[in-house]
Amino acid sequence: EAGVTQSPTHLIKTRGQQVTLRCSPISGHTSVYWYQQALGLGLQFLLWYDEGEERNRGNFPPRFSGRQFPNYSSELNVNALELEDSALYLCASSFTGPDTQYFGPGTRLTVL
Amino acid sequence: AQSVSQHNHHVILSEAASLELGCNYSYGGTVNLFWYVQYPGQHLQLLLKYFSGDPLVKGIKGFEAEFIKSKFSFNLRKPSVQWSDTAEYFCAVNAPFGSGTYKYIFGTGTRLKVLA
Repeated sequence: EAGVTQSPTHLIKTRGQQVTLRCSPISGHTSVYWYQQALGLGLQFLLWYDEGEERNRGNFPPRFSGRQFPNYSSELNVNALELEDSALYLCASSFTGPDTQYFGPGTRLTVL
Repeated sequence: AQSVSQHNHHVILSEAASLELGCNYSYGGTVNLFWYVQYPGQHLQLLLKYFSGDPLVKGIKGFEAEFIKSKFSFNLRKPSVQWSDTAEYFCAVNAPFGSGTYKYIFGTGTRLKVLA
């Protein structure tokens, strides 16, 4: 069974640019979660999508947004990049409900 | 605000030593509790979880955790660590967030290094 996949693996952007990260969940999972993992800060919850709807979002500004497609894959968009957006962005998927999350390898974003 | 605290940021142990990693959360209602582990170069993966029932939960690779509701704690233990346990460990809480939703809150992680 294929795990959660994310693309791209690495990204380098400059301040003010926009970026789109992609995530494909495990087959059968309808929930997708996005996290930001910055050095020393653990995993900060960004967004949760389930059945195509945004169910919850963390304490991040509106320039962090996303969507979930009918096939349950998801995109995370970050506009007007700032230096502090440099981090590892992790995607996780699960069945609907407060169940175990399965994580992808992450996308390393560097903002210069 | 809801939070998860992992008090030990870095732990260094020799092989065969016993391990206990602390995890405390701040939420008064019903929660689901998790420990995830990230081995070097690998994805985050589930170590164990507690939803209900016996507060002593056993996970993979000989790890266990005890849920103590009165102390809002979910500490991770292993009687005898191995070099292969070198990894970063994350405690997580899943708590209701109104209107049928919930949210996951992760601790900042504990980096464990086991010396051979």
